[in-house]
Amino acid sequence: AQTVTQSQPEMSVQEAETVTLSCTYDTSESDYYLFWYKQPPSRQMILVIRQEAYKQQNATENRFSVNFQKAAKSFSLKISDSQLGDAAMYFCAYRGSTQGGSEKLVFGKGTKLTVNP
Amino acid sequence: DTEVTQTPKHLVMGMTNKKSLKCEQHMGHRAMYWYKQKAKKPPELMFVYSYEKLSINESVPSRFSPECPNSSLLNLHLHALQPEDSALYLCASSQDERYTQYFGPGTRLTVL
Repeated sequence: AQTVTQSQPEMSVQEAETVTLSCTYDTSESDYYLFWYKQPPSRQMILVIRQEAYKQQNATENRFSVNFQKAAKSFSLKISDSQLGDAAMYFCAYRGSTQGGSEKLVFGKGTKLTVNP
Repeated sequence: DTEVTQTPKHLVMGMTNKKSLKCEQHMGHRAMYWYKQKAKKPPELMFVYSYEKLSINESVPSRFSPECPNSSLLNLHLHALQPEDSALYLCASSQDERYTQYFGPGTRLTVL
């Protein structure tokens, strides 16, 4: 079974600085998808970024980028120029790729990010 | 537009009550999901509907009853809940089961 590990229960960063959140996963599949979701205190899970395993290029979305190391099964999230609104719980998630099949999202336990002014 | 709406935002119910949670999306997505999330934990999958048919039931107690009346709407009927069922209930949708899931804002349920 696939597992997702986020080894940092909590992280903090100064406003305008850069922070990296770690995620590792275990799978025997070669084709899959990885996600970072953000959940602020307002509760809504918001998709931050998505990476397809078959793509070598790391995904980026504005201030958010990932470092995807397929061989090492590592998928870290870098937040540049951190803003107060980035404060949230961040979940790393894995989903396999099956033709026409049902694949569940497997979540890590989350990393709580605090942004200090 | 990636909006999933959920009503109500908050719900307090007694153990003998019957209530329903509602989830709606107008993105043309054909897969919809119910998750339960306890405080400081990741979401746990409960049910998946694909093309209006139940495709996954994660051994959820029968006091939770999902319903998908049409491709835009997903309900979760609640009956005889226990205090340990108090949690945030999240709905999500995706184009189909192979695609990215988008979440609604959730319903905070308290069972007294």
